[in-house]
Amino acid sequence: GAVVSQHPSRVICKSGTSVKIECRSLDFQATTMFWYRQFPKQSLMLMATSNEGSKATYEQGVEKDKFLINHASLTLSTLTVTSAHPEDSSFYICSARGGDAKETQYFGPGTRLLVL
Amino acid sequence: GQNIDQPTEMTATEGAIVQINCTYQTSGFNGLFWYQQHAGEAPTFLSYNVLDGLEEKGRFSSFLSRSKGYSYLLLKELQMKDSASYLCAVCDSNYQLIWGAGTKLIIKP
Repeated sequence: GAVVSQHPSRVICKSGTSVKIECRSLDFQATTMFWYRQFPKQSLMLMATSNEGSKATYEQGVEKDKFLINHASLTLSTLTVTSAHPEDSSFYICSARGGDAKETQYFGPGTRLLVL
Repeated sequence: GQNIDQPTEMTATEGAIVQINCTYQTSGFNGLFWYQQHAGEAPTFLSYNVLDGLEEKGRFSSFLSRSKGYSYLLLKELQMKDSASYLCAVCDSNYQLIWGAGTKLIIKP
C-alpha cells in the first residue's frame, strides 16, 4: 500500500513554456500533499504544502505565481511551473500523507525537469 | 531554530554493520523518520519512531531517545545496493517534516 505516482518522469521544454506535473496517491486518500525540489547533490527543499480543497501554503522564497499548485481531490495534486527558465531545471518530487500512517509521507518517483 | 544533524558521509565494508546517527532540536515532536534515497531517485520510507526504543525491520533497525534528541539507523549485513543517502526527518508540532541534509553511505567490497 501507500503508492504515489508522478507524471511525467522526465520533461524537456523550451524557456518560457509552462509545465504541469501530476502527483497521484494510488491506493489511499491523501489529506495532504507536499511538493519538493532537489538540486544535484543537495538536500530536499520543501516548496509547498497543499490540503485538498484549499490553497497551498508556500515556503518562504517560493513564488506562488510561478509554481501553481492545485489539489483538486484526495488523490491528485498538480504543480505547474509557469514560464519556465533554465534555473527552474531541477528534480521535483511530490509526497502524500494520509491513509493508515497519518504522519508518514510517501514519495512519488520524481520528475526531472530540464528547461533549455 | 529547528535543526537536524547527521554526518555528511560514511564509508563501510560489504557484510559489515554501520550506524548512522541523527540528533535533532525541533519545536515539538511527532515522530522521527528515516528515508533512503538512491542517486537520481526519490526517497523511500524506511522507518518511523515515535516512542523510545529500538524498532527492527529486517537488516535495518532504528533507535530513538526523545530525552536526548537522538536517533540512529543501524544497517546490518551491508550489501552494495545499500549505497545511498539516508535522510533523517523529524515531524514537528505542526506535523511538518524537518529534514536533515542526509548521510551519503558508501559501501566498499
